[in-house]
Formats: sequence, structure tokens, C-alpha cells
Amino acid sequence: AQKITQTQPGMFVQEKEAVTLDCTYDTSDQSYGLFWYKQPSSGEMIFLIYQGSYDEQNATEGRYSLNFQKARKSANLVISASQLGDSAMYFCAMREESGAGSYQLTFGKGTKLSVIP
Amino acid sequence: DTAVSQTPKYLVTQMGNDKSIKCEQNLGHDTMYWYKQDSKKFLKIMFSYNNKELIINETVPNRFSPKSPDKAHLNLHINSLELGDSAVYFCASSSETQYFGPGTRLLVL
Repeated sequence: AQKITQTQPGMFVQEKEAVTLDCTYDTSDQSYGLFWYKQPSSGEMIFLIYQGSYDEQNATEGRYSLNFQKARKSANLVISASQLGDSAMYFCAMREESGAGSYQLTFGKGTKLSVIP
Repeated sequence: DTAVSQTPKYLVTQMGNDKSIKCEQNLGHDTMYWYKQDSKKFLKIMFSYNNKELIINETVPNRFSPKSPDKAHLNLHINSLELGDSAVYFCASSSETQYFGPGTRLLVL
């Protein structure tokens, strides 16, 4: 069963508008973490934002915020004031403990965001 | 300063060859990883090393062998390359947050 679901394969947003990228997750763990990464066409994976399952406040990093709704198991990424440089693939990922103090990330299939001038 | 670096960035080779990809991190993290991203952009964990000890070994063919000479380095050696090995391979390291290298684009002809 898919643990991370990103239902939007592609999205368009007008420059300067806000956009929400959806992510739902499935876990029975009490302690987990959720990440968002950006992958531009150049290919690198850029860390954007992190939300721990016990964090009471939604994470924010500049124009990025994470709308964390624990009961609904959703962790949507909100990008405010979109810029042309925001055009990229966006991946949601969940941290799962894998023993000996390490963890692995399980990724969703990604959402391709295109910002229109 | 590059936090997680990989070499080479591009690798084009013939089927049946053996190749290695190197990874280094200067973040002082104890844990390093290899991920594979396929042509559909799906990312999947391959290996995880914590303090030079293998923690995860997902269902990866044994042609793939990770080697960690010290906790700052995690290399990936691939024997007898096959067409299906063509992908982008990402190294990563983590403490609370996981940081990725720039990726190695492997093309097997």
C-alpha cells in the first residue's frame, strides 16, 4: 500500500499567486516526520521544509509553509507568492525509523508545478 | 562548501561493465544513504549506513555493493551493469533532516 500519496501529477499557478500541493500519508507510528523536497529541472534534490509529528505548530520556512492536519494524515505544502523559479517537481516524503538511530524516507510520486508568467 | 558531493555527475557505460560512484559528506552526520530515481522520477531507498554499519538493504540485486570506508564516505559499486540500471542515483546524509547530493546520472548502453 502506498504510504505517501500525492494526487496531483501536475499543477499550474499564476506568478505571485499562492498554491497548495497535496500530500497524504499512512502510518501507524506515533513518531514520524514529513518532508518536502524540490527538484528543479537541473536535477538536484533541495530540502524545503520539515514537520515532526509532535510539532504543535505548522512549520514555516520563508514562502513555504506546511499545512499539517494530523487527524486527516495530510501534510500539504503551501507556496505563497509563486515565482517563476518555483517551477519544479515537488516531493513529499515521510520519515520511518529503520533502527540503530537511522531512518529512511519514503517518497510520493511527486507533483510537477509550473508557474505561469 | 558542498555538503554532500557525488562523483561522477554523469556516467555512460556499456552493459556488463563494472562502475563505482563516490559520495562524501562534510556535515558530520552518522547516517548516509543511496537512493535510486527511475525514469518516472520515483525515488526509492537502496541502502542506509549508520556509522559504517549497513542498516537497510532493500531488495536490491547483489550486483550493487555499498562500501563505507569511514562515516563521511559511502561509495556504491555496481557489477555487470544492465540496461535497467540506467537511472539517477542520489547519495544523502542525515541527522534530523536528510540532505541529498547532486545525483549521478547513469546511462547503460
